[in-house]
Amino acid sequence: GAVVSQHPSWVICKSGTSVKIECRSLDFQATTMFWYRQFPKQSLMLMATSNEGSKATYEQGVEKDKFLINHASLTLSTLTVTSAHPEDSSFYICSARDWRTGNYGYTFGSGTRLTVV
Amino acid sequence: AQSVTQLDSQVPVFEEAPVELRCNYSSSVSVYLFWYVQYPNQGLQLLLKYLSGSTLVESINGFEAEFNKSQTSFHLRKPSVHISDTAEYFCAVSGRTDDKIIFGKGTRLHILP
Repeated sequence: GAVVSQHPSWVICKSGTSVKIECRSLDFQATTMFWYRQFPKQSLMLMATSNEGSKATYEQGVEKDKFLINHASLTLSTLTVTSAHPEDSSFYICSARDWRTGNYGYTFGSGTRLTVV
Repeated sequence: AQSVTQLDSQVPVFEEAPVELRCNYSSSVSVYLFWYVQYPNQGLQLLLKYLSGSTLVESINGFEAEFNKSQTSFHLRKPSVHISDTAEYFCAVSGRTDDKIIFGKGTRLHILP
């Protein structure tokens, strides 16, 4: 089945530094990937839609200059949290859609726990 | 636009007892409906989905959900729960011409020994 690999699974960084999170589709090509943010005991909030070869589409209220998304190939999307602050600490999850399944299948990465100190 | 309401934030239930996790949605267009499960510090795993056809859909681990268009509901049920079912369960909806999935706030299932 479709597999989405997300790396790292956890990261601790100092306030003011930048952190890059990678999301890879391992056995399929993903023209579109999605980035979510999840606060403790809360639901997933869609941050942006990452489109291969073009600019990401951000949801209302998400700072595009702070959360940089790059989708340079059909199997890789990256989310960079720039100048991170403690309020950016959260669980970030990516997902991709495997069009081969023909059954509207979305596969999620295992998530990245970001802690900014 | 679509929205999802999960009425219960937490549901405690004794092991081997039945459980129902409620989900209602709203949409002006035809939708796809999903249930995802999330174990601690992990991503989401698809539990089951309704795309079309039979309104009753089942998962391999004993869960089932029924699409009820008139009540705009997609409640998740299991006749007998196990400790291993302890997790967060998310109901989600997507318009049939949309790429986005909208999630409910989740229901934490507590299995009591």
